[in-house]
Amino acid sequence: EPEVTQTPSHQVTQMGQEVILRCVPISNHLYFYWYRQILGQKVEFLVSFYNNEISEKSEIFDDQFSVERPDGSNFTLKIRSTKLEDSAMYFCASSTGTSTVYEQYFGPGTRLTVT
Amino acid sequence: DQQVKQNSPSLSVQEGRISILNCDYTNSMFDYFLWYKKYPAEGPTFLISISSIKDKNEDGRFTVFLNKSAKHLSLHIVPSQPGDSAVYFCASGGGADGLTFGKGTHLIIQP
Repeated sequence: EPEVTQTPSHQVTQMGQEVILRCVPISNHLYFYWYRQILGQKVEFLVSFYNNEISEKSEIFDDQFSVERPDGSNFTLKIRSTKLEDSAMYFCASSTGTSTVYEQYFGPGTRLTVT
Repeated sequence: DQQVKQNSPSLSVQEGRISILNCDYTNSMFDYFLWYKKYPAEGPTFLISISSIKDKNEDGRFTVFLNKSAKHLSLHIVPSQPGDSAVYFCASGGGADGLTFGKGTHLIIQP
């Protein structure tokens, strides 16, 4: 069964450094998303991406964040200058966008630890 | 503001019995609702969804009920099995927008 994959599974970085989190969505999906979950809190939407551009973003997704689909398979989230409060699990998700219910399928997540 | 609320942080149910997880929402504009199951250190796994134009959707042991007038939905799992022990998230969305999640309910199935 097709699934969303994410790399790395765990990333440790120092405050102020740039990180790139990578995702490979399910191959026939058209909509791509990033979410994060800070420890003990709920899953929060960051950004959605369709047709090679951002279609929606939350207030969390400020200028420090960017997304890109550099080729036909990868979808990346870049954090330019990490802060301690960026420590969280980051989930990528994708959806076909072909039904009335946009069921999103999630990857296993990347645990980002900022020290 | 919490647009999607799961008021029970945890629920304990005996194996073989029915598990009922509840969710309330405030935004009437949501088009659909979904339930996800999550194990520690894993991503949410999609379980079942329901469009806002329906009041029930069933898939095997899982049934979701939607009461639009009360802005309430519930997930029924019957019979409950040990592998159902996990955190269950209610989520809602509109079109291709990002989903809004509740805080989750930790379901514990006791033997």
